Amino acid sequence: SQQGEEDPQALSIQEGENATMNCSYKTSINNLQWYRQNSGRGLVHLILIRSNEREKHSGRLRVTLDTSKKSSSLLITASRAADTASYFCATEPGTASKLTFGTGTRLQVTL
Amino acid sequence: DVKVTQSSRYLVKRTGEKVFLECVQDMDHENMFWYRQDPGLGLRLIYFSYDVKMKEKGDIPEGYSVSREKKERFSLILESASTNQTSMYLCASTRQGDQPQHFGDGTRLSIL
Repeated sequence: SQQGEEDPQALSIQEGENATMNCSYKTSINNLQWYRQNSGRGLVHLILIRSNEREKHSGRLRVTLDTSKKSSSLLITASRAADTASYFCATEPGTASKLTFGTGTRLQVTL
Repeated sequence: DVKVTQSSRYLVKRTGEKVFLECVQDMDHENMFWYRQDPGLGLRLIYFSYDVKMKEKGDIPEGYSVSREKKERFSLILESASTNQTSMYLCASTRQGDQPQHFGDGTRLSIL
């Protein structure tokens, strides 16, 4: 079953702009993770945020989590053409490491 | 760095064939997963395994089986391939819960 839903489905911005993607989920979670996928390749882990955390940073990435609204956002600052990819959120409901993925946001960064 | 290797990047098979997709990880991870990815549907979990010879059904196990005889290897088996199993198949591993999953590059499988 699909737990996470990303919004928007597609996003096109220019290099240097910020990109914000949102994820909503339905049930309680242990953690929420963001992954990136380049076209035709596997997923690469970006950030894991636990249910007791509200914000996390990694380089140009900023993730927020609002468990009361069951939502998360991923912000990519000063985007680059190399950030062009699909981005997925995934939720882990317990400690069993089983993830449920959303349908993803396709980000296009143009020069 | 963790390396998850899937045996084929592209595979073409015929309906009714028995198909084996292999996945090997080199970091002694306990947990391994098989997903399929289809446009508009995201990743859906087919089967996962927490230990050798152990398997659990995911969200869409019908038409698939798995084998985990050694800790580093997790095989996905299509018992009798059908055209609706044409998809991108992704393998992943992780040491335990509350940790990121590490993915292979995927196998794009076409069933004709």
